[in-house]
Amino acid sequence: DAGVIQSPRHEVTEMGQEVTLRCKPISGHDYLFWYRQTMMRGLELLIYFNNNVPIDDSGMPEDRFSAKMPNASFSTLKIQPSEPRDSAVYFCASSLVAVLGTEAFFGQGTRLTVV
Amino acid sequence: QQQVKQSPQSLIVQKGGISIINCAYENTAFDYFPWYQQFPGKGPALLIAIRPDVSEKKEGRFTISFNKSAKQFSLHIMDSQPGDSATYFCAASNRGGGADGLTFGKGTHLIIQP
Repeated sequence: DAGVIQSPRHEVTEMGQEVTLRCKPISGHDYLFWYRQTMMRGLELLIYFNNNVPIDDSGMPEDRFSAKMPNASFSTLKIQPSEPRDSAVYFCASSLVAVLGTEAFFGQGTRLTVV
Repeated sequence: QQQVKQSPQSLIVQKGGISIINCAYENTAFDYFPWYQQFPGKGPALLIAIRPDVSEKKEGRFTISFNKSAKQFSLHIMDSQPGDSATYFCAASNRGGGADGLTFGKGTHLIIQP
């Protein structure tokens, strides 16, 4: 398996534009997570899905952020309109529930810059 | 509210030395404590993990020490090597080991000097 695949790797956009980040989880994993990483706040959980259903979106910062998972192999995180303070690295991760613990496998991230 | 506090923010250790990173948590419902390692330009990757029913877990040069009463756990890297230079995150989760989102510490930037 190629692991969790995110696209694009880098995104530069102007303030006010819509940004869509994409994620393909590892096949067979039934949990998908979106995290945001900044120097100031570290890794923050934004939202997670179980079997394509959003379970907890309490980490989504504002209504400008939305996430969907239309099927088991694809998820998007959308920011509309984008603002400079949204600049960060966004990670998608997937996992499979296991008895002894849960390893979350992370993608390589999308570095978003909003100018 | 930060539920997992990690220290130090940065750490420089000589090659061959012991690197120690500490974490403290508040939520007594946490029952899974992993450490993740992140290299520049990459996503975090699981390094080692422990459950609160044991006080120590060792995998190669990496050891987690866990103190349930103090609500603290730490990562020890023995014989530290330049290739260990990375950012390390402690994390915690609850709900019986279900795959709910991990709560991460803010990370420790570790540099191993040759």
